[in-house]
Amino acid sequence: AQTVTQSQPEMSVQEAETVTLSCTYDTSESDYYLFWYKQPPSRQMILVIRQEAYKQQNATENRFSVNFQKAAKSFSLKISDSQLGDAAMYFCAYRRSEYGGATNKLIFGTGTLLAVQP
Amino acid sequence: EPEVTQTPSHQVTQMGQEVILRCVPISNHLYFYWYRQILGQKVEFLVSFYNNEISEKSEIFDDQFSVERPDGSNFTLKIRSTKLEDSAMYFCASGRTVPDTQYFGPGTRLTVL
Repeated sequence: AQTVTQSQPEMSVQEAETVTLSCTYDTSESDYYLFWYKQPPSRQMILVIRQEAYKQQNATENRFSVNFQKAAKSFSLKISDSQLGDAAMYFCAYRRSEYGGATNKLIFGTGTLLAVQP
Repeated sequence: EPEVTQTPSHQVTQMGQEVILRCVPISNHLYFYWYRQILGQKVEFLVSFYNNEISEKSEIFDDQFSVERPDGSNFTLKIRSTKLEDSAMYFCASGRTVPDTQYFGPGTRLTVL
């Protein structure tokens, strides 16, 4: 069974600085998707970034980028120029890639609570 | 930008009562999901739904739970007889295709007393 591990329950960063959140996963699949979701105090789940495992290039979305190391099964999120609005719980998630298949559920890690200090 | 909506935002119910949580997925999406998050814990998959039938369900999704797409727009989760441990945030999500990103609604906070 696939598992997702986030080993940092809490992180803190100064405004305008850079922070990296860690995520590792375990799977025997060769093709899959990885995601980072942000959950602010409102508890809405907001997609931050997505990475397809078959792509070697790391995904980027403005100030957010990932370091995807497939062999190490590592998928970290880097937030540059941190802003107060980035303060939230961040969840790493895994999903199999199966066209036409039924198993497309997201498997989440336990989350990392990010605080941004002014 | 289209978004997933959920109603109500907060529901309080007595143990043993039936509740129905409602979701309106994004209009051209074909795959629908329910997840739940007990306070302070991670998000857990409950069920996925496609072509008017359940495509996968977790161990949590027992006979007390059911899902339905009663019309072309709504997707509901029914808990037949609520228990204290059903208290959680329930998220609906939808996706256009299997590989597509799943977009989440704002959640319904269910409190069972």
